[in-house]
Order: sequence, then C-alpha cells, then structure tokens
Amino acid sequence: EAGVTQSPTHLIKTRGQQATLRCSPISGHTSVYWYQQALGLGLQFLLWYDEGEERNRGNFPPRFSGRQFPNYSSELNVNALELEDSALYLCASSLGLAYKETQYFGPGTRLLVL
Amino acid sequence: KNEVEQSPQNLTAQEGEFITINCSYSVGISALHWLQQHPGGGIVSLFMLSSGKKKHGRLIATINIQEKHSSLHITASHPRDSAVYICAVGSGGSNYKLTFGKGTLLTVNP
Repeated sequence: EAGVTQSPTHLIKTRGQQATLRCSPISGHTSVYWYQQALGLGLQFLLWYDEGEERNRGNFPPRFSGRQFPNYSSELNVNALELEDSALYLCASSLGLAYKETQYFGPGTRLLVL
Repeated sequence: KNEVEQSPQNLTAQEGEFITINCSYSVGISALHWLQQHPGGGIVSLFMLSSGKKKHGRLIATINIQEKHSSLHITASHPRDSAVYICAVGSGGSNYKLTFGKGTLLTVNP
C-alpha cells in the first residue's frame, strides 16, 4: 500500500511569490492535515481537511490556504511568501475521525524563500 | 509556558541502555501521540494512546491522564534508534488539532 506522497520534494521561491504544495493521502483516508516545521520552532498545525471541507486551522495568517479535492488529495497554497515561511511542510492523512485515528505522515516539501 | 513540554531536550546513550523520554502537557486531551523523526525529515507515528500503556517491540509508551504525563521507553537501545522523538497531544473535538513538543534528540552510540 502506497504511503502519503507529497510534491515537490524541494521548492525555491523568492519573497512575494506564491507556492503550491501537493499531497496525496493513503488510499481510503479522508482526512488530510498540513503542518509546518520551521527551523528552531518545531512542528505546528496548519490546516485540517476532511471530506472536502476545512475543519480547523492553526494560528497562521490567511495567506496560508488550501483545499481538498474530491479524490481527497490536497493542496496547500502560500501567497505573498515571506522569508520566515522557509520550512519543511508535512502532510499527514488519517482514516476518518482525527481523534480516533493514527496520522500517517508524508516525506515533506522543503520550501526555501529567498 | 508551552502546552507540551518534553525532557530531556538531548539524550546520549550507549547501545543497550534503557531510555526514557518524558512528556508533560497542560491541556485536556483526546489522545497523545509519540512520533519519531529521522534526519531526513520523515516522521513515523509510534504510538497513539489515551490511557494506560502500549508496547511495540522494544518501545513502550505510558500515559497518566490525572498527572498529564506520558513516558516513552526504549529497551536495549540500538544506534538505529537515534532520531528525534516528538510528543504531540490531540485536543479540540470537532476542532481537533495536534500540539507538539519541541522533541528530544536521541543519540545512541555503539
């Protein structure tokens, strides 16, 4: 069974540009989560999508947004990139209810903003 | 004060030693997760628990809900156990989210 996949693995952008990160969950998983791991800050919750709807978002500005497609894959968009957006962005998926199910993590996308 | 506190931040052990990593939290939780992150960045979920104790191979995780404390134990440690171990608490019900500790960097020397 294929795990959670993310693309691209690395992304280099300049300040002010937009970045789009993609995530494909494990087959059958309906929930997708996005996390940011910035150097020295640890993992932080960004967004949770389930059945195509945004269920919860972390303490991030509105320029961080995303969506979940009918096939449950997901996209994270970061607009007006700032230098501090440089981080590892991790996607995870779970089978249904978040508080009952284990989350499975993808390998991440390393975003570098110059 | 962080909602999730881990200790120690860094831990160096000799192969074969018994390892304990601690996690304390200050919020009500639905579940507590222990995660392992290797240098390449990939994260593996080790345990998800809401009470008692779970064991998988050489790894044991315990949680005390009343004391808001969890421990991850590694028996007979091995160099391949070297990684960052992260405690995360899940809370919020319909607004569920994970809040993470800063991680414990474990190095096991041969």
